[in-house]
Amino acid sequence: QVQLVESGGGVVQSGRSLRLSCAASGFTFSSYGMHWVRQAPGKGLEWVAVIWYDGSNKYYADSVKGRFTISRDNSKNTLYLQMNSLRAEDTAVYYCARDQAVILEVAEVDYWGQGTLVSVSS
Amino acid sequence: DIVMTQTPLSSPVTLGQPASISCRSSQSLVHSDGNTYLNWLQQRPGQPPRLLIYKISNRFSGVPDRFSGSGAGTDFTLKISRVEAEDVGVYYCMQATQFPLTFGGGTKVEIK
Repeated sequence: QVQLVESGGGVVQSGRSLRLSCAASGFTFSSYGMHWVRQAPGKGLEWVAVIWYDGSNKYYADSVKGRFTISRDNSKNTLYLQMNSLRAEDTAVYYCARDQAVILEVAEVDYWGQGTLVSVSS
Repeated sequence: DIVMTQTPLSSPVTLGQPASISCRSSQSLVHSDGNTYLNWLQQRPGQPPRLLIYKISNRFSGVPDRFSGSGAGTDFTLKISRVEAEDVGVYYCMQATQFPLTFGGGTKVEIK
């Protein structure tokens, strides 16, 4: 079955960096786009970034553009999110999610991971 | 960016009774390929989001048939025909027709 397991969250000071990982199993990772979506405590969902199945294209939310970098290692079935210059407003649970779209300009997000909490202290 | 607006914010429902959630987008979600990429997600307390409905009205794998989606263009509805205790949680609509992906603010379904 499809499994997505995030890791790497924790408490970090404002201005510092953190790298999240998402280990995928139960499907052919290199055939699917992948997303990061976050949820601040008690708030709704906010899309963060997407990467194409082969890593050739990436899109970011304006709120993280220039600070966050999405990447993947298809040989390790792992998705990453490098977060630099962290701010208090980046505090959230970060979810990775799979995308089964075959048209690259849309998304068909189906499976979600359990999430990892990032807390940025000021 | 496409703005997604959900109503109501909260929906207290008696067990066994129906529930309905509305979602409106700030622009049409019809893609040039003819599909409308409007999804509904369920988030139970303490759990990650889970896909319920994709492309307006298609139930995802394992989703009970008491959940149904409808709508077109900019107006969409999620219906639960008979609410069960396990349906308690927050429901989100989500558009995936263009980037950035955007979500409605959520509707909390609770038992009266």
